[in-house]
Amino acid sequence: KQEVTQIPAALSVPEGENLVLNCSFTDSAIYNLQWFRQDPGKGLTSLLLIQSSQREQTSGRLNASLDKSSGRSTLYIAASQPGDSATYLCAVIGQGNLIFGKGTKLSVKP
Amino acid sequence: NAGVTQTPKFQVLKTGQSMTLQCAQDMNHEYMSWYRQDPGMGLRLIHYSVGAGITDQGEVPNGYNVSRSTTEDFPLRLLSAAPSQTSVYFCASSNLDRGVIGAFFGQGTRLTVV
Repeated sequence: KQEVTQIPAALSVPEGENLVLNCSFTDSAIYNLQWFRQDPGKGLTSLLLIQSSQREQTSGRLNASLDKSSGRSTLYIAASQPGDSATYLCAVIGQGNLIFGKGTKLSVKP
Repeated sequence: NAGVTQTPKFQVLKTGQSMTLQCAQDMNHEYMSWYRQDPGMGLRLIHYSVGAGITDQGEVPNGYNVSRSTTEDFPLRLLSAAPSQTSVYFCASSNLDRGVIGAFFGQGTRLTVV
């Protein structure tokens, strides 16, 4: 059974720092991996989708990498801003459905 | 382009009542699914569908029914609501290419069962 773990569960940083969020999964037979952002009381917004043939994707200040062989993905946020404060979720996509980690709650202090 | 639309946004039910959570997508996606999100538990899959007329159970299907008569709609029915079903429910849709490509989510329905 696929299990997805996100470390750390919570993170507080001062504005301007570069930071890394981690996601690990137990079964490397995945098709894709997707990173989401969730603001309090809101739905999930897709940030980046990495297909299994890719090693990374970039969007603005965000960069996500995928290493299937080691079962790991990282989300790198450059020059963090208070507006980046949210919960970040990773989901691995196997044959069937998305399996989610429990998320990393990020707080960026001005 | 509306994407994935869920109604209602909020609902309070009494124990034993039934109701249907609505989900509609306008992207012609084959795949649709329902998740519930609970504190400390993350998002858990309830039911999913890979096309009209095809549904299957996820991780936590008990107490819920689904049907998929059209590509656009995937309603979730609570047969007899219980306090344990108090949660936030999310509907998602995606295209399929050997598997789910990537999901789009609705804004959620916050359900309280008293």
